[in-house]
Amino acid sequence: DGGITQSPKYLFRKEGQNVTLSCEQNLNHDAMYWYRQDPGQGLRLIYYSQIVNDFQKGDIAEGYSVSREKKESFPLTVTSAQKNPTAFYLCASSIDPAGSFGETQYFGPGTRLLVL
Amino acid sequence: DQQVKQNSPSLSVQEGRISILNCDYTNSMFDYFLWYKKYPAEGPTFLISISSIKDKNEDGRFTVFLNKSAKHLSLHIVPSQPGDSAVYFCAASGRVATSYDKVIFGPGTSLSVIP
Repeated sequence: DGGITQSPKYLFRKEGQNVTLSCEQNLNHDAMYWYRQDPGQGLRLIYYSQIVNDFQKGDIAEGYSVSREKKESFPLTVTSAQKNPTAFYLCASSIDPAGSFGETQYFGPGTRLLVL
Repeated sequence: DQQVKQNSPSLSVQEGRISILNCDYTNSMFDYFLWYKKYPAEGPTFLISISSIKDKNEDGRFTVFLNKSAKHLSLHIVPSQPGDSAVYFCAASGRVATSYDKVIFGPGTSLSVIP
């Protein structure tokens, strides 16, 4: 079955600690994204990657870092510089982000990050 | 400044009746609109979309209407079923930044369908 997996489902971060959220897809999609969802707000784009070894900052990239060494993997690191990390993090992928009609994005189940 | 607005945070509808979820956008560069459905603790799933060259798209019980002059779209679900209870996100896409068809999501509307 093709899809996107995210792990872990819940993650706890101590103050000053970096944590990494995993995102893997087997849909053979070129583009991958990371979003953050806070209560009462829409999904906000953190980082996106259109192709392997390339990624771009989204609207709220400060305090986060990513890598795209493999097509199927796009891990997100929440660094200690992110002062308000508690949120629901969603990873998504699409065939091609630069298509004319806004390619449909497929989402993973999400990771909820909580600060201890 | 929210470019995609869903002004109703929540909506309750009786089973079998019509659910109408509204969405407004501010940027005329958006040319593709999508609705996603999200259950608690799960990622959103694509529901239906519409291109700006159309004013209506229908898929089974779901119909999306687009009024470009008013920068408004709506999702109609008829008849509503209890399994439709979820948060619905409106999203808009277009060449609003660089070469990437940026997708902007609204804050969502929580729909409850009462049996």
